[in-house]
Amino acid sequence: DILMTQSPLSLAVTPGESASISCRSSRSLLHSNGHYYLDWYLQKPGQSPQLLIYLGSNRASGVPDRFSGSGSGTDFTLTISRVEADDVGIYYCMQGLHTPPEYTFGQGTELEIK
Amino acid sequence: EVQLLQSGAEVKKPGESLTISCQVSGYTFSNFWISWVRRMPGKGLEWMGRIDPSDSYTSYSSSFQGHVTFLIDKSINTAFLHLNSLEASDTAIYYCARQNKVAPINYLYMDVWGNGTTVTVSS
Repeated sequence: DILMTQSPLSLAVTPGESASISCRSSRSLLHSNGHYYLDWYLQKPGQSPQLLIYLGSNRASGVPDRFSGSGSGTDFTLTISRVEADDVGIYYCMQGLHTPPEYTFGQGTELEIK
Repeated sequence: EVQLLQSGAEVKKPGESLTISCQVSGYTFSNFWISWVRRMPGKGLEWMGRIDPSDSYTSYSSSFQGHVTFLIDKSINTAFLHLNSLEASDTAIYYCARQNKVAPINYLYMDVWGNGTTVTVSS
């Protein structure tokens, strides 16, 4: 089975600074169509998860441009610039290439504000 | 507005069964797959599987195959998650999520999520 590994598992960021979360997969997430099958989700405290990024680097509707996704092959990064208090929560990467029947989430990275 | 409204919290005993509902509104139900995702206490998200409301075709994660069943009632725009022979380890929050599609590559991503249903299994 494919394994998704996130790092760090937690980080504390000062408002206004940037934060980066790494996601590494055990197999390449490059589809033959040239796209990377990797999403990023955020689950804020007490809320349902929400989509941030799909296909590695495409921001979902309504997501601020402070959030950006990048990467290739097996290594991906979510970058949050100018972190705000409202960005706290658990960030998950998820691969959608090696299906059926599996979509696989990373362990999650908890972001808190200093 | 697209919404997925899930049924309320449940408390069950081991061995019992349970059905959670996810009623959608604001879009054509049959046009989008529904996925189910679990979050156990203190753990991360786990994809359980998905169902196509147009024909009830299902795809289950190997981790949940045989323990859960996905169902559809198109007449009331509702998807259901049925869990049988509950165990304490089924204690979790269960989410439904709509899978939107990126054309023309048919990439599916979960763009709208339900409000979650908390299930507690305890004797």
